[in-house]
Formats: sequence, structure tokens, C-alpha cells
Amino acid sequence: NAGVTQTPKFRVLKTGQSMTLLCAQDMNHEYMYWYRQDPGMGLRLIHYSVGEGTTAKGEVPDGYNVSRLKKQNFLLGLESAAPSQTSVYFCASSYQGVAKNIQYFGAGTRLSVL
Amino acid sequence: TQLLEQSPQFLSIQEGENLTVYCNSSSVFSSLQWYRQEPGEGPVLLVTVVTGGEVKKLKRLTFQFGDARKDSSLHITAAQPGDTGLYLCAVVYQTGANNLFFGTGTRLTVIP
Repeated sequence: NAGVTQTPKFRVLKTGQSMTLLCAQDMNHEYMYWYRQDPGMGLRLIHYSVGEGTTAKGEVPDGYNVSRLKKQNFLLGLESAAPSQTSVYFCASSYQGVAKNIQYFGAGTRLSVL
Repeated sequence: TQLLEQSPQFLSIQEGENLTVYCNSSSVFSSLQWYRQEPGEGPVLLVTVVTGGEVKKLKRLTFQFGDARKDSSLHITAAQPGDTGLYLCAVVYQTGANNLFFGTGTRLTVIP
């Protein structure tokens, strides 16, 4: 089973460039999430989606946009990358809300912004 | 602003030793999850606790949810090198909320 797949695994950008991170899940989950993980900060929620066509802001949404056009995909976009967005990005999905349901995480995308 | 602190930040022990790591919140939370993350991978859920005072066991791991619903601990008995990893706690502050707040993690190294 593929589970949650993130592409790309690594990326280097120059300041001001744009890019899109793709997350795909094959578990028919309703909920999908984008997190960033920085040293000493734990994981912080950027945006999430409770179903196809819906998105909502998380803890640190500034500088990012998301789209959920298909149930299985959740895209994270950086319109104008900044060095402060250097991080490891994780996508996750769950069948229902977080409280009692397992969140399945992808392997991450390591992004460096120079 | 809710604060979720984990301690210790780093822990290095010998194989066979016991250890406890802690997760403390500045606010009461609805439920708590513990995850383990290995290098180059995403976090993997170990357990979810939802009832104050609850204790759950998973082989050599014992998870406790504080009575006041503001803290939790993870105890590992007879640690093994395979337990090495980053242990993260994550909480839901309000029932029905969709946001998980993660702690900063405890990085555990078990030396053979």
C-alpha cells in the first residue's frame, strides 16, 4: 500500500521563486493536512482540508496557499519563496477528524530556499 | 497561546535502561496522541488517550494521561536500540477541533 505519497522529496529554490508540493493519498480519507517541521519547533499546521473542495487555515498559514480539487490530492503552493520557508514539509491524512483517528504521514519534502 | 512542552529535549541511554519522557501543556486538552518519528520519515502514531487518568500499554511502552488533562508521560521499560527516534506528543485542545498541536519532541538514542 502506498499510503501518503509526497513529491518531490527534495527541492532547492531561490528567493522569490514559486513551487507546488503534491500530496496524494490512496486511503479514501476525507481529511488532509500540511505541516512544517523546524528544529526545536515540532510540527506546525499550515493548512488543512476536511473534504474535497474545502480548505482552512492552520497555525502558520502566511505565505502558503492550498487546493483540494480531488479528494485524493492536496497541493501546497509557495508563490514567492522566502528563506524563512526553509523547512521539512509533511502531509498527512485521516479518515475523520484528529481526535480519535489515526493521522498517516508522508515521508516529507525537504525544501531549502536560498 | 497554548504551549506544549516536552522534556527532556534529548536523552541518551544504554540498552536495557528504563526512561520516562514528559509532555506538559499550559491549557487543558481534550485528547492526546504520542508519535514516534525516525530520520527521513514522517511521524507514526503510537497511541491516543482521551480520558483523564487513563493508562495504556503497548508492549514495553506505558502511556499515562494526567488526571488534570494537562500532562502526559511515556515510560519505556528495558529500552532497545530500535526505540531510538524522536518522540512527539500532540494534543487536541477542543472536542471536535481539527487542529493537532505538536510538542517540540524528545530525541531518544539507545546505545547498544
